[in-house]
Amino acid sequence: EAGVTQFPSHSVIEKGQTVTLRCDPISGHDNLYWYRRVMGKEIKFLLHFVKESKQDESGMPNNRFLAERTGGTYSTLKVQPAELEDSGVYFCASSRATNEKLFFGSGTQLSVL
Amino acid sequence: AQSVTQPDIHITVSEGASLELRCNYSYGATPYLFWYVQSPGQGLQLLLKYFSGDTLVQGIKGFEAEFKRSQSSFNLRKPSVHWSDAAEYFCAVGFTGGGNKLTFGTGTQLKVEL
Repeated sequence: EAGVTQFPSHSVIEKGQTVTLRCDPISGHDNLYWYRRVMGKEIKFLLHFVKESKQDESGMPNNRFLAERTGGTYSTLKVQPAELEDSGVYFCASSRATNEKLFFGSGTQLSVL
Repeated sequence: AQSVTQPDIHITVSEGASLELRCNYSYGATPYLFWYVQSPGQGLQLLLKYFSGDTLVQGIKGFEAEFKRSQSSFNLRKPSVHWSDAAEYFCAVGFTGGGNKLTFGTGTQLKVEL
C-alpha cells in the first residue's frame, strides 16, 4: 500500500512568486490534514479536509494560502504571493476516520528567498 | 488552548544506554497524547498514543511512555537505545472531538553515539 505522497520534496522560490504543493493521501482516507513546521519551531496545524470539504481551516496563516481538495482525492496548497516567513516544511497527513491513526508524508521543504 | 513543551532540544546517548525524553502538556481536560518519530527523509511515524486507561503505554520499536496527570507529563522511555533510534521525536496533544488536529512540541533531536 502506498503511503502519503508529497511533491515536490523541495522548492526554492523568490519572494512574491507562487508555489503549489501537492499531497496524495492514502487511498480510501477521507481525512486529509496540512501541517507546517517553521525552522526550529513546533509543527502547527493548518487545516483539515473531510473528503472535499474543509472541516477546519483555523490554522491557515492568512489569505495568501489556499488549499483545495477537488473530488476528495489529492490536495493542493498554494501560496501566492510567497513571503520569507512562509519558509518551512509543509507536511500532509491522512487518516481513514477522524480519530484513526494519522499517516504523514515526508514533507515539502519550502524555501522563500 | 493546549500547548506542549519539550524542554530538551538535543539529547545524546550512548548505544545501549537508557533514554528518557521529556514532554509536558497544558490542557484543561483529559488529553489525548502522542509520540511521533521522524527519521531523516521520512514522514512522522506514530510511536504510541494514550487515550485513556492504563497510564503506561507500550509502543513500537521498544518504546513506552507514562502519563502522569499530576505532573502534566508524558515522558517517552526506552531501556536500551539502538543506533537506528537516532531521529527527531515529537510529543503531541489532541483533545476530545478534535480528531487528528494535534498540537505538537518543538521536537527533541536524539543522537546516538556508538
